[in-house]
Amino acid sequence: KQEVTQIPAALSVPEGENLVLNCSFTDSAIYNLQWFRQDPGKGLTSLLLIQSSQREQTSGRLNASLDKSSGRSTLYIAASQPGDSATYLCAGQNAGGTSYGKLTFGQGTILTVHP
Amino acid sequence: DGGITQSPKYLFRKEGQNVTLSCEQNLNHDAMYWYRQDPGQGLRLIYYSQIVNDFQKGDIAEGYSVSREKKESFPLTVTSAQKNPTAFYLCASSPNGAGGRNEQFFGPGTRLTVL
Repeated sequence: KQEVTQIPAALSVPEGENLVLNCSFTDSAIYNLQWFRQDPGKGLTSLLLIQSSQREQTSGRLNASLDKSSGRSTLYIAASQPGDSATYLCAGQNAGGTSYGKLTFGQGTILTVHP
Repeated sequence: DGGITQSPKYLFRKEGQNVTLSCEQNLNHDAMYWYRQDPGQGLRLIYYSQIVNDFQKGDIAEGYSVSREKKESFPLTVTSAQKNPTAFYLCASSPNGAGGRNEQFFGPGTRLTVL
């Protein structure tokens, strides 16, 4: 059974700082790894998806990496801004079995970027 | 505008009542999902559907029911058998249930409160 853990649970940084959010998973037979952003009281916004055949994906100031052998993914945010303040969630999708397409979520990292 | 809509945004239920949460998507996606989000527990999968007229139980299906009569619609009924239904409910969809770049997209959520 896949388990996903995110560290740290909360992070506070000054504006302009580069930062890394960590995600670890127990089952290396991961098919996709998806990073989301959630603002308070809102739904999830997909940020990046990394397929198992890829090692990283980039979108603007965001870069996500995937290392299946070590069971880790990281989300790198460059030059952080107060508007980046949100909860960041990672989720893994495993292939096969009876739950195709099912995402297993970590509990999230609450990011606060202060001016 | 393509996307996923959920209604209502807020829903209040009395003890013993069944309530139905609406989820509609115009992304032409085959697969749809229902998740429940509780503070400190992350997102958990309730039900999912890979194709019209088919659906499967997720991790916490007890006390819930769904239907998938149309590709664009996946309503969730919270029955009186669900003992602790107060939560934030999120609907998602993806192009297909398994394989490929199966990125999930989420709706804005429905907050259900039991009075």
